[in-house]
Amino acid sequence: NAGVTQTPKFQVLKTGQSMTLQCAQDMNHNSMYWYRQDPGMGLRLIYYSASEGTTDKGEVPNGYNVSRLNKREFSLRLESAAPSQTSVYFCASSEGITDTQYFGPGTRLTVL
Amino acid sequence: AQSVTQPDIHITVSEGASLELRCNYSYGATPYLFWYVQSPGQGLQLLLKYFSGDTLVQGIKGFEAEFKRSQSSFNLRKPSVHWSDAAEYFCAVGGISGSARQLTFGSGTQLTVLP
Repeated sequence: NAGVTQTPKFQVLKTGQSMTLQCAQDMNHNSMYWYRQDPGMGLRLIYYSASEGTTDKGEVPNGYNVSRLNKREFSLRLESAAPSQTSVYFCASSEGITDTQYFGPGTRLTVL
Repeated sequence: AQSVTQPDIHITVSEGASLELRCNYSYGATPYLFWYVQSPGQGLQLLLKYFSGDTLVQGIKGFEAEFKRSQSSFNLRKPSVHWSDAAEYFCAVGGISGSARQLTFGSGTQLTVLP
């Protein structure tokens, strides 16, 4: 039981490049989330998916897109990366009833 | 909308000393409350959670937290800190926002443990 997995762990991009961050969970959870973490700002929600086939914007969605590929997988795409998107990105999943979220190990992204 | 305040950005304690990390929340109903810990370069690990019932909840690694409705607080405590407790601690409140239940996080408290 791996929990929540994320790939890649580290990534360096140049401004304007695109990439997709992958997330998968094996806990049969309905809800999945993407956060970014920046120093002194805690975790901010980018997008979430309450259930398979649905996605919604969170607090900071600009510059990102998401796909809920199936119940297990939820990807985050940066179409044209900007230096302001340099951050650590966390994926999480939840059974959606008690709000308990389980986090992946994170992806550290640097945009030059 | 719910919100969480962690007033202490950074706390330093000596190994073996007691610890209390403060958390205040704003939420219109009975909240679901959480404490998570993040070690350097790692993801967030759930320490404990409060849903209802006994207002003193026990978590992993010897941590406990007390829910005080009158003070809108959910402070985290540990009687004797170990060097391995050095990490960043996040308080969070759960609630409905949009189409799903979500967590709102505080900005975190960085804990340094002196030998």
